[in-house]
Amino acid sequence: DVKVTQSSRYLVKRTGEKVFLECVQDMDHENMFWYRQDPGLGLRLIYFSYDVKMKEKGDIPEGYSVSREKKERFSLILESASTNQTSMYLCASAPTRLQETQYFGPGTRLLVL
Amino acid sequence: AQTVTQSQPEMSVQEAETVTLSCTYDTSESNYYLFWYKQPPSRQMILVIRQEAYKQQNATENRFSVNFQKAAKSFSLKISDSQLGDTAMYFCAFMKLFGWGSNFGNEKLTFGTGTRLTIIP
Repeated sequence: DVKVTQSSRYLVKRTGEKVFLECVQDMDHENMFWYRQDPGLGLRLIYFSYDVKMKEKGDIPEGYSVSREKKERFSLILESASTNQTSMYLCASAPTRLQETQYFGPGTRLLVL
Repeated sequence: AQTVTQSQPEMSVQEAETVTLSCTYDTSESNYYLFWYKQPPSRQMILVIRQEAYKQQNATENRFSVNFQKAAKSFSLKISDSQLGDTAMYFCAFMKLFGWGSNFGNEKLTFGTGTRLTIIP
C-alpha cells in the first residue's frame, strides 16, 4: 500500500513564526502536492513538484514556499505565519503514469495564533 | 481554467437507503479524468471511484457508481445500500491530462467544495 505521512497531525504556532510542514511518501512517486483545505472552499493547490528540486506554483502560492531535496520528501514552508494560514494542510503523491490518482496523507491541522 | 461545483453542502440519509451526490464541472478539455474522493471524520482522504472521459460506460465500484453525462458536464455519485461507514465528506475532482517533456504525467486536481454526507442509523 502507498503510504504518505505528514510530520504532525496538529500544530500551533504564533504569528510571524517560520513553519515547516513535512511530507514523506514511500512509493517512489515522482509527483508530490501540497493542498490546503478550508470549509466551503474544498481543497486548493498551493505548490506541486514533478521531480527533485523542481517546483511549480499552484493556485494559491502566496505566503508559502516548498523544498524537494529528495524524491520521497516534500516540505511546505510558511516563511512568516499569519492567522489566515490557519487551515488543514494535505500532502499528496502520485506516480507519473496515466490513469493514476493521487494518494493523500492524513493532514496537518495548523492553528496560527 | 477548470471549475468543479458541488451544490449540496450537506446531505443525510437513513442507513440502507440510496443517496446521490451531484457534481458538475466546466472545462474545454476533451481528455480528462473525474474522481470522487471520500474523507471520513479525522481520517485520510481516499479515492472512491474514477471515470475516464473517453469511456462512455459509467464506472462502478461495489456499492458506488457514477452517472457520467459528458455533454451535460455532470458526474454524480450514487451510493447504494448506504452504511454508517459511508459518513464522510465527499469531494468531486477533475484532472486533465497534460504533457511534461516527453512524459505524460499527472496534472493537478481541481476539487469541488465538498458534500458532507451523514448516514443515520
